[in-house]
Amino acid sequence: DGGITQSPKYLFRKEGQNVTLSCEQNLNHDAMYWYRQDPGQGLRLIYYSQIVNDFQKGDIAEGYSVSREKKESFPLTVTSAQKNPTAFYLCASKGSSYSNYNYGYTFGSGTRLTVV
Amino acid sequence: KNEVEQSPQNLTAQEGEFITINCSYSVGISALHWLQQHPGGGIVSLFMLSSGKKKHGRLIATINIQEKHSSLHITASHPRDSAVYICAVRYMNTGNQFYFGTGTSLTVIP
Repeated sequence: DGGITQSPKYLFRKEGQNVTLSCEQNLNHDAMYWYRQDPGQGLRLIYYSQIVNDFQKGDIAEGYSVSREKKESFPLTVTSAQKNPTAFYLCASKGSSYSNYNYGYTFGSGTRLTVV
Repeated sequence: KNEVEQSPQNLTAQEGEFITINCSYSVGISALHWLQQHPGGGIVSLFMLSSGKKKHGRLIATINIQEKHSSLHITASHPRDSAVYICAVRYMNTGNQFYFGTGTSLTVIP
């Protein structure tokens, strides 16, 4: 079945270390997104990519970096410059058609990052 | 300002009750989505609305464009409906970017 795979589900890192979160989709979707979710706050956009080799900053891009070398993959690196990296990170993608009431948008199951 | 407000923040209901979750937004939108987030964190898109009303099983979503307001209703609620329900909008001036409400945590008690 097609979908988005985020790995790992839980990730622990020491303060000051960079960490890369994986997001892979086999839906042939052009657009991919990274969101951050904190308790009591709505999801906020970190970065998005509309097409391979292109990406744009979202509302809270500082301290993060991304790459989009392949259509299927949109990894997010949380750098040591991110002041409060502990959060739930969600990847999503969008295609031009939709089914199963997903309206073209598919979300991953998320990665919970804890920095100690 | 692109804000999305949801109410209530938390909701506990008895099995079988009719449930309503509300969402208000600030400016013109191109679409509004209702999402369901399960305890593990995964999100499923339930509805996309740009006008009117949609129904899927026991779920009904309505939107009033003039009042900038949408509601998600669950009829004959069941414990398996327990989840966080999130309203997300795409504003006309922001293309495909979502703006999310903070979510409504629903617990349905048997």
